[in-house]
Amino acid sequence: AQRVTQPEKLLSVFKGAPVELKCNYSYSGSPELFWYVQYSRQRLQLLLRHISRESIKGFTADLNKGETSFHLKKPFAQEEDSAMYYCALINNAGNMLTFGGGTRLMVKP
Amino acid sequence: EAGVTQFPSHSVIEKGQTVTLRCDPISGHDNLYWYRRVMGKEIKFLLHFVKESKQDESGMPNNRFLAERTGGTYSTLKVQPAELEDSGVYFCASSQLGTGNYGYTFGSGTRLTVV
Repeated sequence: AQRVTQPEKLLSVFKGAPVELKCNYSYSGSPELFWYVQYSRQRLQLLLRHISRESIKGFTADLNKGETSFHLKKPFAQEEDSAMYYCALINNAGNMLTFGGGTRLMVKP
Repeated sequence: EAGVTQFPSHSVIEKGQTVTLRCDPISGHDNLYWYRRVMGKEIKFLLHFVKESKQDESGMPNNRFLAERTGGTYSTLKVQPAELEDSGVYFCASSQLGTGNYGYTFGSGTRLTVV
């Protein structure tokens, strides 16, 4: 069975501080992982996916198969980064996302 | 292009009543998914349509839930009769065939409250 764990429900940092949102997963196959973000009063949207190794809005995430982790990082947090962040894993069929519980990031001025 | 539209945005009903949620996917998206987040829990998969066919409904919690996608366009999710534990946010997403998750677009969700 696939499972995604986000140990922190809330993460509060000051503007300009580094931020790391933790995500661990368990999956028997080759994992494909994603980070989704939901800003206040907006819909859930894809932030980045590990397969494309991209940086979006200054965020990066590296898949660490040894530690089964896919932590989301940003060196300097901005107030507009405040949102709910969800780590997700997709099954081999490509049709079912398994989400973590989400982490609320609050960036204080 | 118009995004994924869900209606209503909020619904408050009494236990035992029936509620129907609607999702209009992006035009041309054959894949349509339903997810939900109940209070304090993770967002969980409910089911997946490819056009009008149910490809995977393994996440449907019980037979009080019925999803349809007649004609392969919009989809409805009916809860009958509703129970208190059905309260939560119901999300719909769509994508083009062959894109799997790479092209998921989510709707804003319907917040269902059963009292």
